[in-house]
Amino acid sequence: AQSVAQPEDQVNVAEGNPLTVKCTYSVSGNPYLFWYVQYPNRGLQFLLKYITGDNLVKGSYGFEAEFNKSQTSFHLKKPSALVSDSALYFCAVRVTGNTGKLIFGQGTTLQVKP
Amino acid sequence: DAMVIQNPRYQVTQFGKPVTLSCSQTLNHNVMYWYQQKSSQAPKLLFHYYDKDFNNEADTPDNFQSRRPNTSFCFLDIRSPGLGDAAMYLCATSGRRMGSDTQYFGPGTRLTVL
Repeated sequence: AQSVAQPEDQVNVAEGNPLTVKCTYSVSGNPYLFWYVQYPNRGLQFLLKYITGDNLVKGSYGFEAEFNKSQTSFHLKKPSALVSDSALYFCAVRVTGNTGKLIFGQGTTLQVKP
Repeated sequence: DAMVIQNPRYQVTQFGKPVTLSCSQTLNHNVMYWYQQKSSQAPKLLFHYYDKDFNNEADTPDNFQSRRPNTSFCFLDIRSPGLGDAAMYLCATSGRRMGSDTQYFGPGTRLTVL
């Protein structure tokens, strides 16, 4: 069965420090992986995705993610955190087949302190 | 700007009183999805339309129905809302159902059931 795990409910970092939000996945076949961010009472905003090719994917707002096939991970990173990055982050994997269905991790709350 | 719009943003209904949530898109995408999200949990797919083809998830209660009268609009009908149906309802679209396609989300409708 396909699944996504985000092992940390919350990540706390100081503004200006690098941040990492972790995601591991389990899929059959080639994975299609996504990161979304959600601010309070808002929908999900797309940050970036991994389809194929370069293991380091660059996305919106200075975020990037590193795909690691041997560790089945897709961690979200940013070199220098901003207070405005504080939000709920979801990792998702596309289910194989032709439904287009996404399976989401349980989410990680990122708290960036000034 | 091309976008996904949901109306209303906040909806209050009474226990058992039918309610309809609306989603429209200017992206001209073929696929429209409805997700339910409770208390900052992971979004859960209810169903999706691929063009006019309706695809229900196996565990979606019969109380939830959907209509897609044209490419731009999709509605979520809750026939008899219960207290457990209080949640954020998210609409998303994608061009196709292929693995690489990104889903773009609307801002969501927060449903309160009294």
